[in-house]
Amino acid sequence: DIQMTQSPSSLSASVGDRVTITCRASQGISNYLAWYQQKPGKVPNLLIYAASTLHPGVPSRFSGSGSGTDFTLTISSLQPEDVATYYCQKYNTVPWTFGQGTKVEIK
Amino acid sequence: QVQLQESGPGLVKPSQTLSLTCTISGAFINSNNYYWSWIRQPAGKGLEWIGRIYSSGSTDYNPSLNSRVTISVDTSENQISLKLNSVTAADTAVYYCARSIAMSGKGEFDYWGQGTLVTVSS
Repeated sequence: DIQMTQSPSSLSASVGDRVTITCRASQGISNYLAWYQQKPGKVPNLLIYAASTLHPGVPSRFSGSGSGTDFTLTISSLQPEDVATYYCQKYNTVPWTFGQGTKVEIK
Repeated sequence: QVQLQESGPGLVKPSQTLSLTCTISGAFINSNNYYWSWIRQPAGKGLEWIGRIYSSGSTDYNPSLNSRVTISVDTSENQISLKLNSVTAADTAVYYCARSIAMSGKGEFDYWGQGTLVTVSS
């Protein structure tokens, strides 16, 4: 099965900082990758699909890029409401799998 | 507006079977447009995809749970169900149902239920 590895596992940044999270697949998955945001105690919310397409209603400070095995989620200007854990998910083939998550905090 | 709602016992004894139901509103299970998945999350840990079902009843399961999992669909009630047998404390988690579009190139989960906590304990 294809493994998804996120880095870092956690980060702390200041409001207004540019934040980048990386997700690496153990095999190529084309662009079949989604990103989710999960705030503490809440349900995961879809941010990005097809590696770079913003889900409707998601703020434009979120962006995604990559293809094949290496992907990034970028928050262009970190806001207090972005405190959450972020997960990538691959869906080229089953089993669909998630990365282990990246916890984002405000410094 | 699509809504998913999980329901079932919050406490299951070790070695018994965990049974959950997800009731869907705002979308028809038998529309042949969607996959319906179960996903779980132990406290403080990440997300694990359990498996999915199509309206026809065809299923795919995570190999890590394959021998213990059954997902079924009840189109008359617009529900899907999860059965996980021989549970242990490691199966304690919040269980979510979620929807994805059944189309080539799609697999992201656009709607999620609120989740239900299942604790395995005697």
